[in-house]
Amino acid sequence: GQQLNQSPQSMFIQEGEDVSMNCTSSSIFNTWLWYKQDPGEGPVLLIALYKAGELTSNGRLTAQFGITRKDSFLNISASIPSDVGIYFCAGRPMNSGYSTLTFGKGTMLLVSP
Amino acid sequence: GAGVSQSPSNKVTEKGKDVELRCDPISGHTALYWYRQRLGQGLEFLIYFQGNSAPDKSGLPSDRFSAERTGESVSTLTIQRTQQEDSAVYLCASSLKDRNQYFGPGTRLTVT
Repeated sequence: GQQLNQSPQSMFIQEGEDVSMNCTSSSIFNTWLWYKQDPGEGPVLLIALYKAGELTSNGRLTAQFGITRKDSFLNISASIPSDVGIYFCAGRPMNSGYSTLTFGKGTMLLVSP
Repeated sequence: GAGVSQSPSNKVTEKGKDVELRCDPISGHTALYWYRQRLGQGLEFLIYFQGNSAPDKSGLPSDRFSAERTGESVSTLTIQRTQQEDSAVYLCASSLKDRNQYFGPGTRLTVT
């Protein structure tokens, strides 16, 4: 099946620092999504990307759909303690139906005040 | 409620017992998905319902797993003869057809 490599696995940073995480795939994707999951909760959609090269921001979050269609990154600027959680990338392979969403294994983010 | 709800939030069961997990999607959402999330792992697709179409069961790991959905409302995921490797968080999501998925809080299943 499809594989998504998400890195880093975890990050421990100081409040105010910027953060960057990324996902790469072995095949072309036509959609990239970034989710955040808090403990005991389901993932919450942060940003959705639909076109190669697309750069989208949501407050302090910025994500880009790679030109090759095989990667995406998420940046968080000026991190705050409530950014703590697990961030997942997810994507839909080219020519797949909307039932097919492949997830990365997540990046755990810890922010110290 | 406004979001996807799931019940129970936690379930502890003995190996070999059957369990039933429930998902109430967002009203009006035609698509419903079940995922499994093992500790420290990403989400593993199990099954997808879209309206009255035949469900996509391609992610179900074994014939002990089954799911039903009544129309465009509640869905139940049933695991028969549970095994310890079934221990995980089971997440449900719903969406408008072909749009992004909104997740419930999950059911944490522990098989002892």
